[in-house]
Amino acid sequence: AQSVTQLDSQVPVFEEAPVELRCNYSSSVSVYLFWYVQYPNQGLQLLLKYLSGSTLVKGINGFEAEFNKSQTSFHLRKPSVHISDTAEYFCAVSDRGTDKLIFGTGTRLQVFP
Amino acid sequence: DGGITQSPKYLFRKEGQNVTLSCEQNLNHDAMYWYRQDPGQGLRLIYYSQIVNDFQKGDIAEGYSVSREKKESFPLTVTSAQKNPTAFYLCASSIDSGHSYNEQFFGPGTRLTVL
Repeated sequence: AQSVTQLDSQVPVFEEAPVELRCNYSSSVSVYLFWYVQYPNQGLQLLLKYLSGSTLVKGINGFEAEFNKSQTSFHLRKPSVHISDTAEYFCAVSDRGTDKLIFGTGTRLQVFP
Repeated sequence: DGGITQSPKYLFRKEGQNVTLSCEQNLNHDAMYWYRQDPGQGLRLIYYSQIVNDFQKGDIAEGYSVSREKKESFPLTVTSAQKNPTAFYLCASSIDSGHSYNEQFFGPGTRLTVL
């Protein structure tokens, strides 16, 4: 069965510094990959998704992610973070042909001034 | 304004009582989902529905029930059989079923506390 690993439960970073949030998935079969963001006491919002094509995917709020098939990874990056980026970030994967998303356990990004 | 509404935002119940969480969407989406979120565990799928009058169990369906009598509504009942019901519950929808590349849109969630 497909699974998603987000190794870092918390990532503290200073404002304007770069950040990378790591995500690895278990299966190398064809997958769709997603990053969602959750602000405190709110639902999730899609940041970006990889379906096919270019391995570098750009999303909202200046985030981007790179799909690496050989390493089964989909790490999220931002070159310069803002205080407002403080939130929980979830990586999710689905196998093509299924209708379910499998979520990672989340990474809490805390941006300090 | 299109979106998903969940009510109430906070809900308190005594142990042993059934409680129903509301989820309504006006996006004209076919598929709807219920997730449970616990600290450090991410989101876990409870039930999902691909079409009216049809639904499937997710990974943690025990102690929960759903109905899908209307396209826009997918209420979740947390029964007294659910051993640890205190959690944050999220409802989501996507435009159609069977295509996992579609974005899921989430409601603001309901925080259920069982005393």
